[in-house]
Amino acid sequence: GQNIDQPTEMTATEGAIVQINCTYQTSGFNGLFWYQQHAGEAPTFLSYNVLDGLEEKGRFSSFLSRSKGYSYLLLKELQMKDSASYLCAVRRTTDSWGKFQFGAGTQVVVTP
Amino acid sequence: NAGVTQTPKFRVLKTGQSMTLLCAQDMNHEYMYWYRQDPGMGLRLIHYSVGEGTTAKGEVPDGYNVSRLKKQNFLLGLESAAPSQTSVYFCASRAAAYNEQFFGPGTRLTVL
Repeated sequence: GQNIDQPTEMTATEGAIVQINCTYQTSGFNGLFWYQQHAGEAPTFLSYNVLDGLEEKGRFSSFLSRSKGYSYLLLKELQMKDSASYLCAVRRTTDSWGKFQFGAGTQVVVTP
Repeated sequence: NAGVTQTPKFRVLKTGQSMTLLCAQDMNHEYMYWYRQDPGMGLRLIHYSVGEGTTAKGEVPDGYNVSRLKKQNFLLGLESAAPSQTSVYFCASRAAAYNEQFFGPGTRLTVL
């Protein structure tokens, strides 16, 4: 199968750290993406990983392990505005048109 | 730049009616995508296009047709709407050389 699995919901306190895990089938892997989506709005791009390791961008970091089919998005110093759904997406080399497959998303709730 | 725009923003149809959703982008992007988003299921690809005059099926193409007559526009048609097509529809575009998809604001469609 081509499943992309991520937790449905996570709750964390303002100022804390939250790690959102994403696992995927490794066949034909050609890049992993994280998007943020606030309720009622369009997804917006956060990060892209194609090689193993950690990519840091301000308060957000994304990690990839290709051999394990595993990624995580780390949100540091949580703010109320970080309450949103976070979508993991995979691109595969078997898709010549550059298709992306999305996970169902993880709803992050930040509490005061 | 307006980015990616979608019309209409909301629409209510009766079963069996037809309609066309319009997506327009002003970034000269080669790739364009139509997704639907349903609760708990994430974004699912309906159809996509790699350039003017070219379209291809995604994960859930049944009941939909598309056309890309101009590079900046990607139309999604529902010939005979069904209640199962009640969803939020997102259009996205990206440049062939880059990974980031830019999403439109979405169209909320209800089929009664």
